[in-house]
Amino acid sequence: EAQVTQNPRYLITVTGKKLTVTCSQNMNHEYMSWYRQDPGLGLRQIYYSMNVEVTDKGDVPEGYKVSRKEKRNFPLILESPSPNQTSLYFCASSLKTQLQGPLNTEAFFGQGTRLTVV
Amino acid sequence: GEDVEQSLFLSVREGDSSVINCTYTDSSSTYLYWYKQEPGAGLQLLTYIFSNMDMKQDQRLTVLLNKKDKHLSLRIADTQTGDSAIYFCAGQRSNQAGTALIFGKGTTLSVSS
Repeated sequence: EAQVTQNPRYLITVTGKKLTVTCSQNMNHEYMSWYRQDPGLGLRQIYYSMNVEVTDKGDVPEGYKVSRKEKRNFPLILESPSPNQTSLYFCASSLKTQLQGPLNTEAFFGQGTRLTVV
Repeated sequence: GEDVEQSLFLSVREGDSSVINCTYTDSSSTYLYWYKQEPGAGLQLLTYIFSNMDMKQDQRLTVLLNKKDKHLSLRIADTQTGDSAIYFCAGQRSNQAGTALIFGKGTTLSVSS
């Protein structure tokens, strides 16, 4: 079954304790990205990756890191989490990466990770 | 940069039509998308429209695009309680650095029976 898998689904942690949210896709997609969803702010892109070893900042990258060492995985790393990073996080992947053509005709989103930083 | 705006709430009765509106700022967006998010779930792509189209219809869904006014709408005919969800409009921003979707804040559709 084609899917994007995020882990964990729920996480409560303390300020400053490093954490990683994993994201894995089984569709051989080139394009992967991370979003955070906050009430009244909608979805905002944190980081994205066009391919292995190619990552770039989205709109709200501060306080986050990512890596793309292999095609299927795109972990989101919070080196020193703070309460303002409490949010719902989504990982997404897509087949198409070229500038022309619809980006997400085959877009898949993970189920989300609800993170609380106290 | 791209900015996407949409109304936050819409309430309709079962069987009525729902119209969710969206405005965007970047006229170079070649594709515009509608996503649906059900409670506790991720986002599901409903439909997309190419910027040189005025209308796209897919079963109960009709997308209208007014490129001059930079206005996009999603019409759901015969709205059902299962259509209750958050609907996101998104524009595609592409440049040499990469491609990204820019989402609106989402419109919560509430359908009462």
